[in-house]
Amino acid sequence: TQLLEQSPQFLSIQEGENLTVYCNSSSVFSSLQWYRQEPGEGPVLLVTVVTGGEVKKLKRLTFQFGDARKDSSLHITAAQPGDTGLYLCAGAPGSARQLTFGSGTQLTVLP
Amino acid sequence: EADIYQTPRYLVIGTGKKITLECSQTMGHDKMYWYQQDPGMELHLIHYSYGVNSTEKGDLSSESTVSRIRTEHFPLTLESARPSHTSQYLCASSEFAGQGINTEAFFGQGTRLTVV
Repeated sequence: TQLLEQSPQFLSIQEGENLTVYCNSSSVFSSLQWYRQEPGEGPVLLVTVVTGGEVKKLKRLTFQFGDARKDSSLHITAAQPGDTGLYLCAGAPGSARQLTFGSGTQLTVLP
Repeated sequence: EADIYQTPRYLVIGTGKKITLECSQTMGHDKMYWYQQDPGMELHLIHYSYGVNSTEKGDLSSESTVSRIRTEHFPLTLESARPSHTSQYLCASSEFAGQGINTEAFFGQGTRLTVV
């Protein structure tokens, strides 16, 4: 059973479109992180959300942490080909110490 | 730029060989991790460590072992490689900031292992 489920698993859109990626769990997290990974590289941190209901913006990317701290979403406005990559959410539930990653969303933005 | 390094970057070996994947970080991080990832797919945690002489197995059953004799070094060893071990192996490190607090994980570029 996947602790952090992401949807959709694959997403292919045209440049300029908007999209939302979801990260859901039945466990409560003190914080959740979003990473982006390009082919041949390791994941790179985009943001950490800590407070339930929190919204963080990073240029065209908007991240939201659910009120119950069990889910998060990533919204991209006016997607660009440079946004192409694997988006991963990550967290350590409850008192767990190890960082667990979600199932991932592979995004392709076509020019 | 992250100061975490993995070697080799690519490795092709025969079945039954013993191999060690190297991972070193110069950031003084207490927490280190090994993940296994097939291309474009999720990361599976195989081992982690919270400091010297502390190692634990992750969620994915693995035939590998790790050691943490020094803070900066976290090697992964496969005693007898098999074709099913073919994958990408990613090493990461992060600061310890308290129970349940996630700090940024810095990743190496990975080792792509092929067992023939």
